[in-house]
Amino acid sequence: GESVGLHLPTLSVQEGDNSIINCAYSNSASDYFIWYKQESGKGPQFIIDIRSNMDKRQGQRVTVLLNKTVKHLSLQIAATQPGDSAVYFCAENGRDIDMRFGAGTRLTVKP
Amino acid sequence: KAGVTQTPRYLIKTRGQQVTLSCSPISGHRSVSWYQQTPGQGLQFLFEYFSETQRNKGNFPGRFSGRQFSNSRSEMNVSTLELGDSALYLCASSLWQGDYEQYFGPGTRLTVT
Repeated sequence: GESVGLHLPTLSVQEGDNSIINCAYSNSASDYFIWYKQESGKGPQFIIDIRSNMDKRQGQRVTVLLNKTVKHLSLQIAATQPGDSAVYFCAENGRDIDMRFGAGTRLTVKP
Repeated sequence: KAGVTQTPRYLIKTRGQQVTLSCSPISGHRSVSWYQQTPGQGLQFLFEYFSETQRNKGNFPGRFSGRQFSNSRSEMNVSTLELGDSALYLCASSLWQGDYEQYFGPGTRLTVT
C-alpha cells in the first residue's frame, strides 16, 4: 500500500557537519510535504515545507529537496548543532489525503 | 500568541475505562486535528474538526470520538480503553480546514494498565 517512510532510523553526526535525513513516499497524489522536528517530551515542531511544484526550498540552515521522479524527500541541516538532536519526521499531505507521517529518524549530534 | 495547549499532560487509566482529553488551539485557529503517536505505529491521524463538525476521520475504531466547541476548543474521548491505546495523543491546530500548516501541542501521555 501507499506509505511514507524513512530510510534510516538513526543518524549520528559530528557537531558542525552537515546532516541529511531522507524520506520516501509513494502516494503520487500528495502535493505538500513537511518536515517536523520532535524533541523529547514535546510535540512535533514545523521546520520547513515544500509543495510538489518545487524541487528545492531553503530555510535558515535547512534545505528540503523533493525528487518527484523517485518520490524522495530529503532534509539537509547545515552546520549541525547539539540543539538539532531530535527525531525528524517527514509528512505528506494533499487534497482529500490525510496527513501521513514517516516513522521518524533520530538525529544525534556528537560534540 | 500562546501555543496549542493540551490537558492533562499525563494520565493513567485502567482497561475498560473511558478518557477525555482536551485541546485549546492557537487563538484564531479554527481547525483542530488529533493524532495518536506510538513507538510501533508512529504518528497516525485520528480526526479533524472545523466549525464544530468532524471533517475527516482516520482509520480508528468507533471507540475514538471527538467534538469541537464554538470557541474552537476540542475534546477527544476514548471509551472502553484497551492496553493498546497507551500512546501520546497530539492535537494540532491550523487556521482553516485542510490547512497544511499545523501547529502541535505538547501532547497527553495516556497509559492504560
